[in-house]
This record gives sequence, structure tokens and C-alpha cells, in this order.
Amino acid sequence: EVQLVESGGGLVQPGGSLRLSCAASGFVVSSDYMAWVRQAPGKGLEWVSVIYGGDNAKYADSVRGRFTISRHNSQNTLLLQMNSLRPEDTAVYYCARLGAVTMALDCWGQGTLVTVSS
Amino acid sequence: QSALTQPASVSGSPGQSITISCTGTSTDVGNYNLVSWYQQHPGKVPKVMIYEVSNRPSGVPDRFSGSKSGNTASLTISGLQAEDEADYYCSSYTTISSYVFGTGTKVTVL
Repeated sequence: EVQLVESGGGLVQPGGSLRLSCAASGFVVSSDYMAWVRQAPGKGLEWVSVIYGGDNAKYADSVRGRFTISRHNSQNTLLLQMNSLRPEDTAVYYCARLGAVTMALDCWGQGTLVTVSS
Repeated sequence: QSALTQPASVSGSPGQSITISCTGTSTDVGNYNLVSWYQQHPGKVPKVMIYEVSNRPSGVPDRFSGSKSGNTASLTISGLQAEDEADYYCSSYTTISSYVFGTGTKVTVL
């Protein structure tokens, strides 16, 4: 069964850092395109970052220069390093797989809540 | 990258058909057939309903259909059912090799 499980969310002060992890099972993270999507409380979905082959990655304007997406291939895990966090980064963060055939997000994790507040 | 534009809400009675529009630009919807649609029930994880403009993943009812004309994509739900009440988001690949979501549409079944 294809599954994604996020961890690492929590409460952090403005300016702080947090690293999210997304453990995959049923497929190999290094062989698929992966993404992070977030949803602020009561708001819509927002693409945060997508990683293609190797280290080829793209970021939303709102997080570029502060967030870094990467893979930990030996642990079959997707990562999101978040630095210089702002209150507006408060959201549920989902990791998701971009299906090779569909090029759509065909598998999602359950999400992890990040709260940036003093 | 600006969010794609969707109506905030659409409603219909059971059995009716509704259509949700998703308007982008020539740098996203108008330039690629990589438009997908997601359904999200309250407190739940989004689920892909349509990919590549008009294709349905296995298990998605055929009352869901998608199309595109120019810079606007559309999702049609025919034979509306109570369980279709949810938020719907479109998404498109863009010319900067990234993706963008729509603003989201709340579908209400009257």
C-alpha cells in the first residue's frame, strides 16, 4: 500500500526553524517527483515546493530562500527544512507524490500542523 | 505566481449538474494540459478527481468530468449527490516548472 506519513510539526517562534519529514512506504521517494503543499487555517491549498529528479526543485515565491526541499534516499523520506519562519507560515503541511502517469498529486500524507507564534 | 481564479461557491440540488470554472493565464492553464482537480471534505486530506484536464483516476465516479478552453478549465459534476458537498481546487503546471492551485470552490448540495 502506498502511504505517506509526515512528522516534525509543532509550535515555533517567529524567526525560528523547523524540519518536516515525510516517510514513504509502498514506493521509492527517489524515483518519484514529490511536493509539499500547505493549508493555512480556514484557507485554501498552496503549493510550497516540488522536487523533480536529483536536486531540481522549485519553490513558491512566499518561501523561496527560506525553505529547502530534499530527499533522504536511504530512509525513503522527503524533507522540508524551514528557516526564518513567519506567522503567515502557520498551516497544515502535507507531503504528496506527483504521479508519474497523472502528473497530479495522487497520494497525500495526513498533514502536520506548524504554528509560528510567540 | 498568482492563484488560479475559481468561484467562491457553487450550489445545486441533488441530481442537477454544476460546473466550476478555473481561470488562469497563458503561463499556466492556457499553455499546458496538466490541469488537475482535487476534492477536499472538511478535516480531510485532498483527493485527486481529475488529471490532465479530463482524465479520471480509477475509482472516481464518471459523473465527474473535466474540460478546458483557452485559459479556463472546468470541472462538471453531473447528477449531483450529497457526498459531493466539499471544497474543490484546480491546479496547473506553469511555465516556471512549478505548480499553482486555484482559490477553491465550496460546493453545496441544497
